[in-house]
Amino acid sequence: ETGVTQTPRHLVMGMTNKKSLKCEQHLGHNAMYWYKQSAKKPLELMFVYSLEERVENNSVPSRFSPECPNSSHLFLHLHTLQPEDSALYLCASSQNPSGSVNEQFFGPGTRLTVL
Amino acid sequence: GQNIDQPTEMTATEGAIVQINCTYQTSGFNGLFWYQQHAGEAPTFLSYNVLDGLEEKGRFSSFLSRSKGYSYLLLKELQMKDSASYLCAVRDGNYQLIWGAGTKLIIKP
Repeated sequence: ETGVTQTPRHLVMGMTNKKSLKCEQHLGHNAMYWYKQSAKKPLELMFVYSLEERVENNSVPSRFSPECPNSSHLFLHLHTLQPEDSALYLCASSQNPSGSVNEQFFGPGTRLTVL
Repeated sequence: GQNIDQPTEMTATEGAIVQINCTYQTSGFNGLFWYQQHAGEAPTFLSYNVLDGLEEKGRFSSFLSRSKGYSYLLLKELQMKDSASYLCAVRDGNYQLIWGAGTKLIIKP
Protein backbone atom coordinates (compact mmCIF):
# COMPACT_ATOMS: atom_id res chain seq x y z
CA GLU A 1 0.00 0.00 0.00
CA THR A 2 1.76 3.14 -1.24
CA GLY A 3 -0.84 5.76 -0.27
CA VAL A 4 -1.94 6.20 -3.88
CA THR A 5 -5.17 4.54 -5.00
CA GLN A 6 -6.55 4.14 -8.51
CA THR A 7 -9.96 3.10 -9.79
CA PRO A 8 -10.98 1.14 -11.68
CA ARG A 9 -8.24 -1.50 -11.65
CA HIS A 10 -9.42 -2.95 -14.96
CA LEU A 11 -11.38 -1.30 -17.76
CA VAL A 12 -12.57 -2.58 -21.12
CA MET A 13 -14.06 -0.03 -23.47
CA GLY A 14 -15.08 0.35 -27.07
CA MET A 15 -13.62 3.03 -29.31
CA THR A 16 -16.76 5.16 -29.07
CA ASN A 17 -17.05 5.06 -25.26
CA LYS A 18 -16.22 7.78 -22.78
CA LYS A 19 -14.74 6.76 -19.44
CA SER A 20 -12.64 8.30 -16.67
CA LEU A 21 -9.78 7.00 -14.56
CA LYS A 22 -9.48 8.23 -11.01
CA CYS A 23 -6.44 8.63 -8.78
CA GLU A 24 -6.29 9.72 -5.16
CA GLN A 25 -3.22 10.26 -2.99
CA HIS A 26 -3.26 10.31 0.81
CA LEU A 27 0.34 11.48 1.27
CA GLY A 28 -0.04 15.25 1.31
CA HIS A 29 2.01 15.57 -1.86
CA ASN A 30 1.93 18.58 -4.17
CA ALA A 31 2.62 16.92 -7.52
CA MET A 32 0.71 14.22 -9.37
CA TYR A 33 1.51 12.37 -12.60
CA TRP A 34 -0.11 10.18 -15.24
CA TYR A 35 2.04 7.56 -16.96
CA LYS A 36 1.35 5.04 -19.70
CA GLN A 37 3.12 1.66 -19.40
CA SER A 38 3.14 -0.64 -22.41
CA ALA A 39 4.79 -4.05 -22.46
CA LYS A 40 8.58 -3.93 -22.77
CA LYS A 41 8.59 -0.15 -23.22
CA PRO A 42 9.75 2.60 -20.87
CA LEU A 43 7.20 4.41 -18.78
CA GLU A 44 5.79 7.28 -20.83
CA LEU A 45 5.06 10.43 -18.88
CA MET A 46 1.73 11.88 -20.04
CA PHE A 47 0.87 14.73 -17.67
CA VAL A 48 2.28 16.41 -14.57
CA TYR A 49 0.36 18.61 -12.17
CA SER A 50 2.08 20.69 -9.52
CA LEU A 51 -0.11 22.48 -7.01
CA GLU A 52 -3.09 21.73 -9.27
CA GLU A 53 -1.53 23.42 -12.29
CA ARG A 54 -0.53 21.41 -15.34
CA VAL A 55 3.22 21.76 -15.84
CA GLU A 56 3.88 19.01 -18.36
CA ASN A 57 2.00 17.73 -21.38
CA ASN A 58 4.16 15.46 -23.50
CA SER A 59 2.37 15.70 -26.83
CA VAL A 60 -0.42 13.45 -25.66
CA PRO A 61 -3.35 13.06 -28.09
CA SER A 62 -6.40 15.12 -27.22
CA ARG A 63 -8.48 11.97 -26.70
CA PHE A 64 -6.78 11.93 -23.27
CA SER A 65 -7.90 14.82 -21.07
CA PRO A 66 -6.56 15.26 -17.51
CA GLU A 67 -8.27 17.03 -14.65
CA CYS A 68 -6.86 17.96 -11.24
CA PRO A 69 -9.59 19.46 -9.04
CA ASN A 70 -7.36 19.55 -5.93
CA SER A 71 -3.93 18.36 -4.82
CA SER A 72 -5.25 14.95 -3.73
CA HIS A 73 -7.24 13.95 -6.80
CA LEU A 74 -6.36 13.41 -10.43
CA PHE A 75 -8.56 12.21 -13.27
CA LEU A 76 -7.87 11.06 -16.80
CA HIS A 77 -10.87 11.41 -19.09
CA LEU A 78 -10.90 9.09 -22.08
CA HIS A 79 -12.89 9.38 -25.30
CA THR A 80 -12.74 7.84 -28.77
CA LEU A 81 -9.67 5.80 -27.90
CA GLN A 82 -7.79 3.54 -30.29
CA PRO A 83 -6.75 -0.10 -29.74
CA GLU A 84 -3.11 1.02 -29.47
CA ASP A 85 -4.08 2.97 -26.34
CA SER A 86 -4.49 -0.34 -24.51
CA ALA A 87 -1.92 -0.29 -21.70
CA LEU A 88 -1.44 0.05 -17.96
CA TYR A 89 -2.09 3.61 -16.82
CA LEU A 90 -0.22 4.53 -13.68
CA CYS A 91 -0.77 7.48 -11.41
CA ALA A 92 2.01 8.74 -9.15
CA SER A 93 2.56 11.52 -6.65
CA SER A 94 5.58 13.23 -5.14
CA GLN A 95 6.33 16.07 -2.77
CA ASN A 96 7.14 18.31 -5.73
CA PRO A 97 8.57 17.79 -9.25
CA SER A 98 12.09 18.93 -8.29
CA GLY A 99 13.88 18.97 -4.95
CA SER A 100 16.35 16.62 -3.34
CA VAL A 101 15.36 12.96 -3.44
CA ASN A 102 11.71 13.39 -4.24
CA GLU A 103 10.82 9.83 -5.17
CA GLN A 104 7.47 9.18 -6.78
CA PHE A 105 4.88 6.95 -5.17
CA PHE A 106 2.80 4.94 -7.63
CA GLY A 107 -0.71 3.64 -7.56
CA PRO A 108 -1.49 0.05 -8.67
CA GLY A 109 -2.58 1.19 -12.12
CA THR A 110 -5.61 0.73 -14.34
CA ARG A 111 -5.31 -1.99 -16.97
CA LEU A 112 -7.11 -0.54 -19.99
CA THR A 113 -8.21 -2.57 -22.98
CA VAL A 114 -9.70 -0.80 -25.99
CA LEU A 115 -11.68 -3.02 -28.34
CA GLY B 1 17.94 12.35 -27.72
CA GLN B 2 17.79 11.05 -24.21
CA ASN B 3 17.84 7.35 -23.46
CA ILE B 4 18.31 4.80 -20.75
CA ASP B 5 19.62 1.31 -21.53
CA GLN B 6 19.27 -1.74 -19.34
CA PRO B 7 19.12 -5.46 -20.13
CA THR B 8 15.69 -6.80 -20.99
CA GLU B 9 15.89 -9.92 -18.87
CA MET B 10 18.24 -11.64 -16.44
CA THR B 11 18.14 -14.97 -14.65
CA ALA B 12 19.80 -15.76 -11.32
CA THR B 13 19.74 -18.46 -8.66
CA GLU B 14 18.23 -18.16 -5.20
CA GLY B 15 20.89 -17.21 -2.66
CA ALA B 16 23.24 -15.78 -5.29
CA ILE B 17 24.20 -12.20 -6.22
CA VAL B 18 23.06 -10.36 -9.34
CA GLN B 19 24.07 -7.00 -10.81
CA ILE B 20 21.69 -5.09 -13.07
CA ASN B 21 23.37 -2.42 -15.16
CA CYS B 22 21.95 0.85 -16.43
CA THR B 23 23.62 3.31 -18.82
CA TYR B 24 22.19 6.68 -19.62
CA GLN B 25 22.53 9.67 -21.92
CA THR B 26 20.54 12.67 -20.77
CA SER B 27 20.53 16.43 -21.04
CA GLY B 28 21.70 17.26 -17.55
CA PHE B 29 21.60 15.07 -14.48
CA ASN B 30 19.78 15.50 -11.19
CA GLY B 31 19.84 12.01 -9.76
CA LEU B 32 19.21 8.39 -10.66
CA PHE B 33 16.46 6.18 -9.24
CA TRP B 34 15.89 2.45 -9.08
CA TYR B 35 12.37 1.06 -8.72
CA GLN B 36 11.08 -2.47 -8.29
CA GLN B 37 7.87 -3.58 -9.97
CA HIS B 38 6.25 -6.95 -9.33
CA ALA B 39 3.95 -8.21 -12.06
CA GLY B 40 0.59 -6.50 -11.89
CA GLU B 41 1.68 -4.13 -9.14
CA ALA B 42 2.87 -0.54 -8.75
CA PRO B 43 6.55 0.36 -9.06
CA THR B 44 8.08 0.94 -5.63
CA PHE B 45 11.12 3.08 -4.85
CA LEU B 46 14.35 1.23 -4.05
CA SER B 47 17.23 3.72 -4.16
CA TYR B 48 18.48 7.13 -5.20
CA ASN B 49 22.00 8.18 -6.24
CA VAL B 50 23.09 11.71 -7.05
CA LEU B 51 26.79 11.55 -6.11
CA ASP B 52 29.32 9.01 -7.35
CA GLY B 53 29.72 5.94 -5.25
CA LEU B 54 27.83 3.14 -3.61
CA GLU B 55 24.63 3.43 -1.59
CA GLU B 56 23.83 0.37 0.50
CA LYS B 57 20.42 -0.50 1.86
CA GLY B 58 20.20 -3.99 3.32
CA ARG B 59 20.50 -6.64 0.60
CA PHE B 60 20.31 -3.99 -2.12
CA SER B 61 23.08 -1.59 -3.18
CA SER B 62 23.18 0.97 -5.97
CA PHE B 63 26.26 2.45 -7.59
CA LEU B 64 26.68 5.56 -9.71
CA SER B 65 29.44 6.89 -11.96
CA ARG B 66 28.36 10.21 -13.45
CA SER B 67 31.44 10.51 -15.67
CA LYS B 68 30.60 7.18 -17.30
CA GLY B 69 26.83 7.65 -17.35
CA TYR B 70 26.53 4.33 -15.56
CA SER B 71 24.77 2.79 -12.61
CA TYR B 72 24.15 -0.68 -11.30
CA LEU B 73 21.81 -2.25 -8.80
CA LEU B 74 23.33 -5.10 -6.80
CA LEU B 75 21.06 -7.64 -5.15
CA LYS B 76 22.61 -10.05 -2.63
CA GLU B 77 21.28 -13.25 -1.06
CA LEU B 78 18.58 -13.46 -3.68
CA GLN B 79 15.15 -14.61 -2.60
CA MET B 80 12.30 -15.87 -4.76
CA LYS B 81 10.33 -12.71 -3.90
CA ASP B 82 13.01 -10.67 -5.70
CA SER B 83 11.60 -11.90 -9.01
CA ALA B 84 10.33 -8.64 -10.51
CA SER B 85 11.16 -5.95 -13.03
CA TYR B 86 13.74 -3.36 -12.01
CA LEU B 87 13.37 0.09 -13.52
CA CYS B 88 16.18 2.61 -13.86
CA ALA B 89 15.18 6.28 -14.17
CA VAL B 90 17.28 9.44 -14.50
CA ARG B 91 16.13 12.93 -13.59
CA ASP B 92 17.41 15.23 -16.31
CA GLY B 93 18.37 18.91 -16.23
CA ASN B 94 14.71 19.92 -16.31
CA TYR B 95 13.90 17.58 -13.40
CA GLN B 96 11.97 15.31 -15.74
CA LEU B 97 12.30 11.57 -15.10
CA ILE B 98 13.55 9.56 -18.08
CA TRP B 99 12.77 5.86 -17.69
CA GLY B 100 14.43 2.72 -18.92
CA ALA B 101 12.28 -0.15 -20.21
CA GLY B 102 13.07 -2.24 -17.14
CA THR B 103 14.97 -5.47 -16.51
CA LYS B 104 12.90 -8.54 -15.77
CA LEU B 105 14.73 -10.59 -13.14
CA ILE B 106 13.87 -14.28 -12.90
CA ILE B 107 15.02 -16.13 -9.79
CA LYS B 108 15.35 -19.91 -10.00
CA PRO B 109 15.51 -22.24 -6.98
